[in-house]
Amino acid sequence: DARVTQTPRHKVTEMGQEVTMRCQPILGHNTVFWYRQTMMQGLELLAYFRNRAPLDDSGMPKDRFSAEMPDATLATLKIQPSEPRDSAVYFCASGSGTGSYEQYFGPGTRLTVT
Amino acid sequence: RKEVEQDPGPFNVPEGATVAFNCTYSNSASQSFFWYRQDCRKEPKLLMSVYSSGNEDGRFTAQLNRASQYISLLIRDSKLSDSATYLCVVRGANAGNMLTFGGGTRLMVKP
Repeated sequence: DARVTQTPRHKVTEMGQEVTMRCQPILGHNTVFWYRQTMMQGLELLAYFRNRAPLDDSGMPKDRFSAEMPDATLATLKIQPSEPRDSAVYFCASGSGTGSYEQYFGPGTRLTVT
Repeated sequence: RKEVEQDPGPFNVPEGATVAFNCTYSNSASQSFFWYRQDCRKEPKLLMSVYSSGNEDGRFTAQLNRASQYISLLIRDSKLSDSATYLCVVRGANAGNMLTFGGGTRLMVKP
């Protein structure tokens, strides 16, 4: 049963610390997305990769957030330095990108910044 | 105006009831449409794609009205396990593979 995996599932950290979240997309999928979900804002797109190349990161605060795909099996989202307002659930999703636009989500990383 | 708008609910219905949700989208050139389901503290999961001619999957029926720019989801014979938040999702023109998610409609099915 192919699925997107994310680590860690939960992270509690202090303000100012670096946070790195990891995602393994479904094997063979060539599009990867990072989303943030909060009660107030709902699901927001942060970054979008196709064939490992970043295509859109307009939703991401550039001063502290960065997203990369070191290889086809790993996507990372980094926050440095973290702030309490970054507390949210961060989801990674992947899609086959070949005329099919469905996205499949990982279980998310629940981040709390104190 | 939000790109995808939904009534947040909650819709409280008894088991066995039929319930319908609507969603409106602002971009008339939108290309693809979906309904996702999200359980509490879980990830969104694809429920069904929405096709121009309408489509059905068991107790679930999705309809698209391009002229009025709305999408609907009908759930028949609702079950307790249908309790969740239903997200309306749209892919705009020139959006590549990016999807825009509505805020979701919460459904609570009671015994």
